[in-house]
Amino acid sequence: AQSVTQLGSHVSVSEGALVLLRCNYSSSVPPYLFWYVQYPNQGLQLLLKYTTGATLVKGINGFEAEFKKSETSFHLTKPSAHMSDAAEYFCAFRLLGGYNKLIFGAGTRLAVHP
Amino acid sequence: KAGVTQTPRYLIKTRGQQVTLSCSPISGHRSVSWYQQTPGQGLQFLFEYFSETQRNKGNFPGRFSGRQFSNSRSEMNVSTLELGDSALYLCASGDSNTDTQYFGPGTRLTVL
Repeated sequence: AQSVTQLGSHVSVSEGALVLLRCNYSSSVPPYLFWYVQYPNQGLQLLLKYTTGATLVKGINGFEAEFKKSETSFHLTKPSAHMSDAAEYFCAFRLLGGYNKLIFGAGTRLAVHP
Repeated sequence: KAGVTQTPRYLIKTRGQQVTLSCSPISGHRSVSWYQQTPGQGLQFLFEYFSETQRNKGNFPGRFSGRQFSNSRSEMNVSTLELGDSALYLCASGDSNTDTQYFGPGTRLTVL
């Protein structure tokens, strides 16, 4: 079955530390991959996406992710966490030919402490 | 461009009632998708409309329905509300040129 797994429902880092949020997908063909962020009482904001081409993708707010087909992974990183990064992060994929249906992971809540 | 608009932002209904939620996509986008977000089930795809036609549907009962108008605005309807329908309902506007979806702020539905 096609699915997305986000390892760690909660991640806590210190301000200035590396942020690493893990995402693995299960699909027989490489999908389109996305990371979204959700702040309290808000909708989802697109951070970055991978469709084709370069496997290292840069997004907004200093985030980037690398698509690794051999590992079926699309982990999200940021070199230095900021207090404003505290939010919930969702990894999602869309199959080619799947129109706009997104399959989401369960989400990872990121806490950033001083 | 203006973002995705969802109305109302908050709703309180009682069991057995029905509800209609509205979504206005970004100008020029012809695709509108709906998602349900709950603490227990997470984010789940409901359906997608493109040029007034439903072209994809998730695994929800027939009580959940939708439609899209010629101006791309979409509505979703839930009939015979159940307690479990309490959720944040998110609408996404799809950009066919960039294969990207942009989400609205959501409608928080509470069923009592």
